[in-house]
This record gives sequence, C-alpha cells and structure tokens, in this order.
Amino acid sequence: ETGVTQTPRHLVMGMTNKKSLKCEQHLGHNAMYWYKQSAKKPLELMFVYNFKEQTENNSVPSRFSPECPNSSHLFLHLHTLQPEDSALYLCASSGGLGTSNEQFFGPGTRLTVL
Amino acid sequence: GQNIDQPTEMTATEGAIVQINCTYQTSGFNGLFWYQQHAGEAPTFLSYNVLDGLEEKGRFSSFLSRSKGYSYLLLKELQMKDSASYLCAAQDSNYQLIWGAGTKLIIKP
Repeated sequence: ETGVTQTPRHLVMGMTNKKSLKCEQHLGHNAMYWYKQSAKKPLELMFVYNFKEQTENNSVPSRFSPECPNSSHLFLHLHTLQPEDSALYLCASSGGLGTSNEQFFGPGTRLTVL
Repeated sequence: GQNIDQPTEMTATEGAIVQINCTYQTSGFNGLFWYQQHAGEAPTFLSYNVLDGLEEKGRFSSFLSRSKGYSYLLLKELQMKDSASYLCAAQDSNYQLIWGAGTKLIIKP
C-alpha cells in the first residue's frame, strides 16, 4: 500500500468519449503530480499542483484537463483523445515543492484509446 | 537541454552483483533518485543521493559523483524478485525531476 490510490486501473475509450481519472493520496502531502508513461520512454511530467494551485503545465494538449479540489484529490479529465494518448497515467504526491522529498506513486491507470 | 542516460536492458544471474549506471545533465542539481518499478506496478523509491559518495541500504547501494554527472545503483545477492525496471531521476534547480527511460533488469536462475 503506497498511500496513493488511482481509479480506474484500466480504461478503454473511444476518441469521442469523455472520461476522468481519479487520484487520492492519504499521506498528508501538499504536492500532487500527473505523469504519462509510455513504453521505453522517460516519465513525462504533465501537471503539478502545490497546495491545490497548479504550478506546472508542461505543454500538455487541452484535451487533458486537470482538477485539484483539495490537497488529497487530483483528477484528470479526458476528452477527444487520440490513439497516441494510450499509455500508463501515473499520479504521485510529495511533501511539497521546492524540497527533495521523494515522490510516492499510485499504481496508475492503463489507458487505451481506440 | 536536460538529459538522463541509462542502459535500456541488463541481464544478470541470481546471487550475483549488478551495477546500473546513470549519467545526467541538468540545469542545476538538487539530488539524484533511484526508483524500482515492477511490471504493471507503481514506481517505488529506492534511494536519494545529493552528496558525493556511496549510500548503502541493505542489498542496494547508490553512488553519486556530482563532478562527473554520474550515478550508479549496485544490487548485491540478486534475487528473482529484483527483476524490474530501475528508474534514474535527477532533480534540477527548480526541484523538478528529470527522468531516464529506465533500465529493465532481467534476473536469470
């Protein structure tokens, strides 16, 4: 149990669908992250939230829309995705930005876009 | 630009020792992390180095040379359960993690 949970674990969606990924951390952390992990590629940082405020958006297409209602919850809303968006989406949390605290990861959502 | 290099895949024998190397180039440096990721699972934290030298933690050790932009993860007395991907990540001046693509370690009996 890493203290970071993600749902769903697997998701198959069509290009016209709208779906949301959910992440919850039970560690009392202040920073939360969305990453995309594709086969044989480095983890790609998508979004960062610190104390519920978005601090980073690494040129992510607008078809990905994050939401952070509080420090414990993070969502990634998906709409009109492309097949190349198929990947493992990982959520992580850490004590806070500007520190060397390690990040704790959730198990990920395996997304397939048809 | 910022870059992390590590081998794509390595093979070792159960009971042996293996060293996974990582070189990094970042804008500033605030430390080097190693994570382990089993197939289909979350990455889990293994080690953090910010000063030069070797940090030992049980069967796993991690080394850092800041002047050379180099780190390695040393795994001793390999067990089958050590088969996983090992991710190297360097923290830049903004404390952002720059990730390598991971080294897939295959352990053979």
